[in-house]
Amino acid sequence: TQLLEQSPQFLSIQEGENLTVYCNSSSVFSSLQWYRQEPGEGPVLLVTVVTGGEVKKLKRLTFQFGDARKDSSLHITAAQPGDTGLYLCAGGRDNYKLTFGKGTLLTVNP
Amino acid sequence: NAGVTQTPKFQVLKTGQSMTLQCAQDMNHEYMSWYRQDPGMGLRLIHYSVGAGITDQGEVPNGYNVSRSTTEDFPLRLLSAAPSQTSVYFCASTGTANTEAFFGQGTRLTVV
Repeated sequence: TQLLEQSPQFLSIQEGENLTVYCNSSSVFSSLQWYRQEPGEGPVLLVTVVTGGEVKKLKRLTFQFGDARKDSSLHITAAQPGDTGLYLCAGGRDNYKLTFGKGTLLTVNP
Repeated sequence: NAGVTQTPKFQVLKTGQSMTLQCAQDMNHEYMSWYRQDPGMGLRLIHYSVGAGITDQGEVPNGYNVSRSTTEDFPLRLLSAAPSQTSVYFCASTGTANTEAFFGQGTRLTVV
């Protein structure tokens, strides 16, 4: 089983602060996806990165795929209460299967 | 625009009872999968299917059966429920490898 180690598991910050979530593995993935999940709902895709070294920006969120395609990070600038949720990274392979990290529960306090 | 529909949303079972969790998608996706989500464990793959008539086991398949008679439907069966199967279950479908997995809203199952 290929594992994805996600850290930190919990993060509680004040509105306006910056934060970074990490997703690390010893395995190479074809893609790395980031999902956000709200209580009582299923995960919703934020971004997919497929090229080593790739950086994608989605408003205040910046996603990076490691050069070796084994790790990824999510950086949020000036966090807002609406960013609160569970963030999940998932490694993708060409056989459709996804391997999920355990998630980072982010709370942004007003 | 339904996407992936799961039913029921909540269910309580007694130990030993059986039930089927329903999952349907209207996006004509070939790949469908079932996950369970437990606190601190992330999403773990139970079973998956790459097309009608084809299913395979994931990471935690014991105690669960699946079938895929049509592209649209992928039901998950619990033959004899156990308290260890208390969890939130998600069904997902994907159109192409390494693209977005679309998830249903989940079924919260409690086995007493």
